[in-house]
Amino acid sequence: GEDVEQSLFLSVREGDSSVINCTYTDSSSTYLYWYKQEPGAGLQLLTYIFSNMDMKQDQRLTVLLNKKDKHLSLRIADTQTGDSAIYFCAEKGGGGNKLTFGTGTQLKVEL
Amino acid sequence: GAVVSQHPSWVICKSGTSVKIECRSLDFQATTMFWYRQFPKQSLMLMATSNEGSKATYEQGVEKDKFLINHASLTLSTLTVTSAHPEDSSFYICSAIGGDTQYFGPGTRLTVL
Repeated sequence: GEDVEQSLFLSVREGDSSVINCTYTDSSSTYLYWYKQEPGAGLQLLTYIFSNMDMKQDQRLTVLLNKKDKHLSLRIADTQTGDSAIYFCAEKGGGGNKLTFGTGTQLKVEL
Repeated sequence: GAVVSQHPSWVICKSGTSVKIECRSLDFQATTMFWYRQFPKQSLMLMATSNEGSKATYEQGVEKDKFLINHASLTLSTLTVTSAHPEDSSFYICSAIGGDTQYFGPGTRLTVL
């Protein structure tokens, strides 16, 4: 099956930028998503990018997509303590609506 | 943005009993909803795709007789865990498709004693 990989943990200082990386194997991906999950809660959609785009910016969030290398990243500018959470990337293949999730990256923001 | 709710948010039950979890799309209609299971510190595992008015499609390894799914209307899907056992304890999350995006519910934590 398709595979989506992320690093497990990232620690940054408040005010710095965070970059969370994701690699995937499905060459037929149509959309790629970033979700945020806080402890004991469901997933909150942060942003998504269509596979024919290279970059998308939304306030503090910047998504970069390198389709050739199947690499997706999420940059959070001016990271705040409220950004501490687990971040999941997910990809939707060309065959339907199912999402394949990455392993999740726990972001810890330190003062 | 679109809102998906789940009820209950947390349930504790005895082994052998059945538990029903509801998933509702509050401000949009969803012909397709998904049910996921998440173990602590792990990613989401898709259990089944719930289609309004038809049978659910289960992922490999998921017992359809144990996890009963009913999608009776465009805004409601239910997951019933039948004859629950401690190994069924998990965080169950539903999602609903709105446009090109999946919106997730807040999750239901099931603890089976």
